[in-house]
Amino acid sequence: GAVVSQHPSRVICKSGTSVKIECRSLDFQATTMFWYRQFPKQSLMLMATSNEGSKATYEQGVEKDKFLINHASLTLSTLTVTSAHPEDSSFYICSASPPGLYEQYFGPGTRLTVT
Amino acid sequence: EDQVTQSPEALRLQEGESSSLNCSYTVSGLRGLFWYRQDPGKGPEFLFTLYSAGEEKEKERLKATLTKKESFLHITAPKPEDSATYLCAVPPTSGTYKYIFGTGTRLKVLA
Repeated sequence: GAVVSQHPSRVICKSGTSVKIECRSLDFQATTMFWYRQFPKQSLMLMATSNEGSKATYEQGVEKDKFLINHASLTLSTLTVTSAHPEDSSFYICSASPPGLYEQYFGPGTRLTVT
Repeated sequence: EDQVTQSPEALRLQEGESSSLNCSYTVSGLRGLFWYRQDPGKGPEFLFTLYSAGEEKEKERLKATLTKKESFLHITAPKPEDSATYLCAVPPTSGTYKYIFGTGTRLKVLA
């Protein structure tokens, strides 16, 4: 099956700093990747759709200047949380779809803690 | 309005006690219904894709079925290791590749 990796799996940062999370599709090229946020005991909340070579599409209510997404290649998308605050602490998960398919394959997630 | 509803929210089963999870959907022109398993602190793991009413897929103790309005995930003789949250999702009517997720069913299988 298709494999998606994320790095790092856990990160702790201080308030006001920025942190970058990487999402890679390991065995397929992904023109589209997705970034989700998940709060405890809740379902996944889509933050943005990342399109290779173009600007990301953000969901309503998601600050695009705070959550910077870059999809510079067909196997890598990055999410940068800028000027992080404790309320940004969450579980961030990416997913990717092989070309032409609606199936999404998810990464293992990144636990962000902002102190 | 596109919508996905899962029931029950939580389910406790004894080991070996078979049951079914429900996923009801309202989208036009279904382009697939997807089942995932999510363990705490991990990303969802892909289980099944169903495309048309009447379709069934199986994997170990799990079998997913699809009708025109809902999907069922049947768990036969579950084991404690089947404990997880099970999510279903569909692409929206608008044709984009993003998903509409259900809120999930938290399954606990007791030894």
